[in-house]
Amino acid sequence: EPEVTQTPSHQVTQMGQEVILRCVPISNHLYFYWYRQILGQKVEFLVSFYNNEISEKSEIFDDQFSVERPDGSNFTLKIRSTKLEDSAMYFCASSVHWTISSYNEQFFGPGTRLTVL
Amino acid sequence: AQTVTQSQPEMSVQEAETVTLSCTYDTSESDYYLFWYKQPPSRQMILVIRQEAYKQQNATENRFSVNFQKAAKSFSLKISDSQLGDAAMYFCAYRVGGSQGNLIFGKGTKLSVKP
Repeated sequence: EPEVTQTPSHQVTQMGQEVILRCVPISNHLYFYWYRQILGQKVEFLVSFYNNEISEKSEIFDDQFSVERPDGSNFTLKIRSTKLEDSAMYFCASSVHWTISSYNEQFFGPGTRLTVL
Repeated sequence: AQTVTQSQPEMSVQEAETVTLSCTYDTSESDYYLFWYKQPPSRQMILVIRQEAYKQQNATENRFSVNFQKAAKSFSLKISDSQLGDAAMYFCAYRVGGSQGNLIFGKGTKLSVKP
């Protein structure tokens, strides 16, 4: 069964460093999402992406964040200058676009745990 | 703004028994979806069940069923014949219909299953 994959599973970085989190969505999916979950907190939406541009973003998704689909398979989240409070689990999700239905399940990847020291 | 509230941080159930997890939400939309996601220790989010707001019939998936009370904006999850593998965090989530919109999650309920 196709699934969303994410790499790395765990990333440790120093404060102020740039990190890139990678996701490979399910191959026929067209909508992509990033969510994050600070330890012990709820999952929060960061950004959605469709047709090579940002569709929606939350207040969390400030200028330090960017997303990109550099090729036909990868979807990346870049944090330019990491802060301690960026430490969280980052989940990628994807969904297929069906024009005849308003329901499209979001399939989640296993997450990348980011630790900022 | 839409919000999702889960008032039970932790719940416990005996194996083979039934447990109900509560969720309330707030929205002014008439077309939306509600979901229950399971997050086991492996941390991958798995969709358990979904409910379309326009459907009056409560959704059911095997041992999992919901009690959807639209007027009360309540969406509880019932797990019957609980199994050890049901132990996980359960998140209630909301999404506006007719779009590819983002999910809004509650804070989650940690379910423990006692053998």
